[in-house]
Amino acid sequence: SQKIEQNSEALNIQEGKTATLTCNYTNYSPAYLQWYRQDPGRGPVFLLLIRENEKEKRKERLKVTFDTTLKQSLFHITASQPADSATYLCALDGSNSGYALNFGKGTSLLVTP
Amino acid sequence: EAGVAQSPRYKIIEKRQSVAFWCNPISGHATLYWYQQILGQGPKLLIQFQNNGVVDDSQLPKDRFSAERLKGVDSTLKIQPAKLEDSAVYLCASSLGAAGDRSPLHFGNGTRLTVT
Repeated sequence: SQKIEQNSEALNIQEGKTATLTCNYTNYSPAYLQWYRQDPGRGPVFLLLIRENEKEKRKERLKVTFDTTLKQSLFHITASQPADSATYLCALDGSNSGYALNFGKGTSLLVTP
Repeated sequence: EAGVAQSPRYKIIEKRQSVAFWCNPISGHATLYWYQQILGQGPKLLIQFQNNGVVDDSQLPKDRFSAERLKGVDSTLKIQPAKLEDSAVYLCASSLGAAGDRSPLHFGNGTRLTVT
């Protein structure tokens, strides 16, 4: 069966450090992989999209890598700030006819001053 | 641009009652989605529309859930009768492109349903 696995435990880091979140998947052949941020009581917000032929994508302090051989994506936040504290969701285009996104459970990130 | 609007924000009902949720997507967005998010889980797709047609409803429990998208704009999701396990946040999302073009999703803030 298809699975998207993200770090199950919350990640606690100190302000200024780099946070690295992992997304592993099985039984998918995604053309795209997306990352979203979700704050408590809010809907997910799109952050970055990376295509299968792209190894790395950057946006400001965010960096995403996509390794289709390892079936893994890494999401990095450099110079982390307390405002980066949230849950981060990895999403892959599913195999349904509309390629709707399937989401992982998310990883909770807490950045402390 | 205005975001995806959902109402109500919260709803508490007893099991076996019915409930309806409403979604107004971003203007011009062709594709609309309903996701269910149980506490501690990621969003799970229930149904996907392109304009006013259903693209995928394979994960919608059709014995109790129904959804429609009138005139390819607003959408409603209904549960009748509700079960305890339906307690979750129901998220509506829309995307600009047609189903399958993988454009990013824009989510509303959801309706939190509690079934007692």
